[in-house]
Amino acid sequence: SYVLTQPPSVSVAPGSTARITCGGNNIGSRSVHWYQQKPGQAPVLVIYYDRDRRSGVPERFSGSNSANTATLTVSRVEAVDEADYYCQVWDIFGDHPVFGGGTRLTVL
Amino acid sequence: QVQLQESGPGLVKPSQTLSLICAVFGGSTSSGSHYWTWIRQPAGKGLEWIGRIYTTGSTNYNPSLKSRVTISVDTSKNQVSLRLTSVTAADSAMYYCARGYSSGEDWFDPWGQGTLVTVSS
Repeated sequence: SYVLTQPPSVSVAPGSTARITCGGNNIGSRSVHWYQQKPGQAPVLVIYYDRDRRSGVPERFSGSNSANTATLTVSRVEAVDEADYYCQVWDIFGDHPVFGGGTRLTVL
Repeated sequence: QVQLQESGPGLVKPSQTLSLICAVFGGSTSSGSHYWTWIRQPAGKGLEWIGRIYTTGSTNYNPSLKSRVTISVDTSKNQVSLRLTSVTAADSAMYYCARGYSSGEDWFDPWGQGTLVTVSS
């Protein structure tokens, strides 16, 4: 089955840029969606179809997808961005979603 | 704006059946091109898809849980239900319901706040 690989953690200083990757075989041919999960809260969709921001999501959040890596970029990182981030694609063969293992973004 | 609210017993004994409810507010469980889905997350771990039900009543389940799972909808109450039989400690998790957008590249939005289930005697 299809596997998505995310780094367990990413740490950045406030005001800098965080890049969270999601690796998968030819993932560029699929649409990737990203969810943000703050401690003790439910996941929230932030990016869908690789790069479309959900309504209300700051423009600091952007997405890209090419070849074997999709990337969620958080510009001008703020303390409120500290959360776990999950990527997700749809496995059309198994007809079910596939989630990455999640990346914890820490703001130093 | 659609809002979802899960509820359930909190504590279930091993081998018993887990039953959860997802109440849908601001949207209809009986119409639309979307569907309703259940996803769970063990403490400190990642997300696992359980299954989904379309507004037509058609269902799909995670193969690893298929023999134990039933998802149904009560359109009169605008609620979606999850039933999981023969539970073990491995079924302890936060359970979320969410709306799924069906496009062949499906995504989930919004999610409920979740309900915590612990399987223990």
